[in-house]
Amino acid sequence: EPEVTQTPSHQVTQMGQEVILRCVPISNHLYFYWYRQILGQKVEFLVSFYNNEISEKSEIFDDQFSVERPDGSNFTLKIRSTKLEDSAMYFCASRSGMNTGELFFGEGSRLTVL
Amino acid sequence: AQSVTQLGSHVSVSEGALVLLRCNYSSSVPPYLFWYVQYPNQGLQLLLKYTTGATLVKGINGFEAEFKKSETSFHLTKPSAHMSDAAEYFCAVSDQNNNDMRFGAGTRLTVKP
Repeated sequence: EPEVTQTPSHQVTQMGQEVILRCVPISNHLYFYWYRQILGQKVEFLVSFYNNEISEKSEIFDDQFSVERPDGSNFTLKIRSTKLEDSAMYFCASRSGMNTGELFFGEGSRLTVL
Repeated sequence: AQSVTQLGSHVSVSEGALVLLRCNYSSSVPPYLFWYVQYPNQGLQLLLKYTTGATLVKGINGFEAEFKKSETSFHLTKPSAHMSDAAEYFCAVSDQNNNDMRFGAGTRLTVKP
């Protein structure tokens, strides 16, 4: 069964460093998303991406964040200068073009900022 | 904008007892509604969804949910809890226009032997 894959599964970084989280969405999907979940808290929407541009972003998704689909298969989330409060699990999701609404999630990338 | 409220951050039931996890939504347009389950250290797995049609939807692992427009609710139920049901459950809503999904705060289900 097709699935969304994310790498790395866990990354530890120093505050101020740049981090890139990678996702390979399901191959025929057209809509891509990043969510984050701070430990013990709710899953929060960060950004959605369609047709090579951001379609919507939350207030969390400030200038430190960016997304890219560089090669037609990967979908990346970059954090330019990490802060302690960026420590969280980051989930990538994708959706087909069909109007079913269902998002398929990856297993997540745990980011720890020291 | 849509939003979801899950009543009860933690629900504890005995094995074999009824599971009821509450979810109320807010949406200015007809919603799509979802329940996702998250087991420890894992990602989000879809339990069930409501888009259109039958308001009582059945999902995996014996769970079901009923969309009640008049009550703006989409409560999740299971007649008999199993130990393996212990997990975090998230209700989510999206609209039919942009389909961006918003999650509730989650309900942690504990099942006692």
